[in-house]
Amino acid sequence: EPEVTQTPSHQVTQMGQEVILRCVPISNHLYFYWYRQILGQKVEFLVSFYNNEISEKSEIFDDQFSVERPDGSNFTLKIRSTKLEDSAMYFCASGGAWVANNNEQFFGPGTRLTVL
Amino acid sequence: DAKTTQPPSMDCAEGRAANLPCNHSTISGNEYVYWYRQIHSQGPQYIIHGLKNNETNEMASLIITEDRKSSTLILPHATLRDTAVYYCIVRSYGGSQGNLIFGKGTKLSVKP
Repeated sequence: EPEVTQTPSHQVTQMGQEVILRCVPISNHLYFYWYRQILGQKVEFLVSFYNNEISEKSEIFDDQFSVERPDGSNFTLKIRSTKLEDSAMYFCASGGAWVANNNEQFFGPGTRLTVL
Repeated sequence: DAKTTQPPSMDCAEGRAANLPCNHSTISGNEYVYWYRQIHSQGPQYIIHGLKNNETNEMASLIITEDRKSSTLILPHATLRDTAVYYCIVRSYGGSQGNLIFGKGTKLSVKP
């Protein structure tokens, strides 16, 4: 069964450093998402991406964040200058075309980002 | 913010049905009820969704009240592997490409 993959599984970085989190969505999917979950808290939407552009972003997704689909398979989240409060699990998700009013999102296993 | 209210936790005996309630009293006509679950910090997993009719798939059943203000997810024969946080999410069709707004969910503990 196709699945969303994410690398690395765990990233440790120093405050102020740039990090790039990588995701390989399911191959025929059109919609791509990033969510994050701070330890012990709820899953929060960051950004959605469709047709090579951001379609929606949350208040969390400020100028420090960017997303890119550099080729036909990868979808990346970049944090330019990490802060301690960016420590969280970051989930990538992808979804296919809307069919019968449904668009199931498939989530990857996540990247745990630790900012020291 | 999430438009749903769920109990923070529930217990269920292995082999019994788990009935997880959700209130969504402000749901609007073009919004669907979705259920996802998250097993021990893994990525959330889709379970089922519905608009107004009851739905069933291989994982669960979804019962939506006639006024659509509440729903119940039913796991007919809960196993230990069903221990997870279950999220009830109200989501509109189309529009914003369907971002999922998660609440705190219900932590279901299935006990032997």
